[in-house]
Amino acid sequence: DAKTTQPPSMDCAEGRAANLPCNHSTISGNEYVYWYRQIHSQGPQYIIHGLKNNETNEMASLIITEDRKSSTLILPHATLRDTAVYYCIVRVAFDQGGKLIFGQGTELSVKP
Amino acid sequence: EPEVTQTPSHQVTQMGQEVILRCVPISNHLYFYWYRQILGQKVEFLVSFYNNEISEKSEIFDDQFSVERPDGSNFTLKIRSTKLEDSAMYFCASSETAVGNYGYTFGSGTRLTVV
Repeated sequence: DAKTTQPPSMDCAEGRAANLPCNHSTISGNEYVYWYRQIHSQGPQYIIHGLKNNETNEMASLIITEDRKSSTLILPHATLRDTAVYYCIVRVAFDQGGKLIFGQGTELSVKP
Repeated sequence: EPEVTQTPSHQVTQMGQEVILRCVPISNHLYFYWYRQILGQKVEFLVSFYNNEISEKSEIFDDQFSVERPDGSNFTLKIRSTKLEDSAMYFCASSETAVGNYGYTFGSGTRLTVV
């Protein structure tokens, strides 16, 4: 089972920041937080990942709380094309098997 | 940007028939994966593959399933005798490293319909 909890759905106005929360209260010290998204049944797309420091890339920012029990994915200026299901996944950094355990994710709807 | 290519995009097959789903991973990637997603359900891990052997497989990946990298570029998933419940989207993925430091790149998927 997925080790994360996410709200099933969220709305966001186009051009505004989308803040997607994730709870991972049982995360272990050697587990990373990964975010993926899936646009309308396409293959999942990697967004960002982090261990304990905040991370930023061209797609998004990841804010991880100091106790690492929760995180927030921030899309700074959401567009209609960001409408997708967003998955927060925790996994062991050195897991050689490559298994990602997907939960139900958050369905983000960006509205004009 | 490099892509993982999957063919065919759609496949319809009769129950009991064998199907082969094909994937061309990104050329410098060494780790390969298959996932599936039944309509309306979660994405599920099937199998990971490295150095010409399976690294890990899920309970779903039973004796009816097999994977192969026949020629150094293609990566295939074979279902020996399809069942109605095998109907799903099948996603191939690849990564440079085992731990996916740069993320896993997924293909667009093959929609398999078993009738």
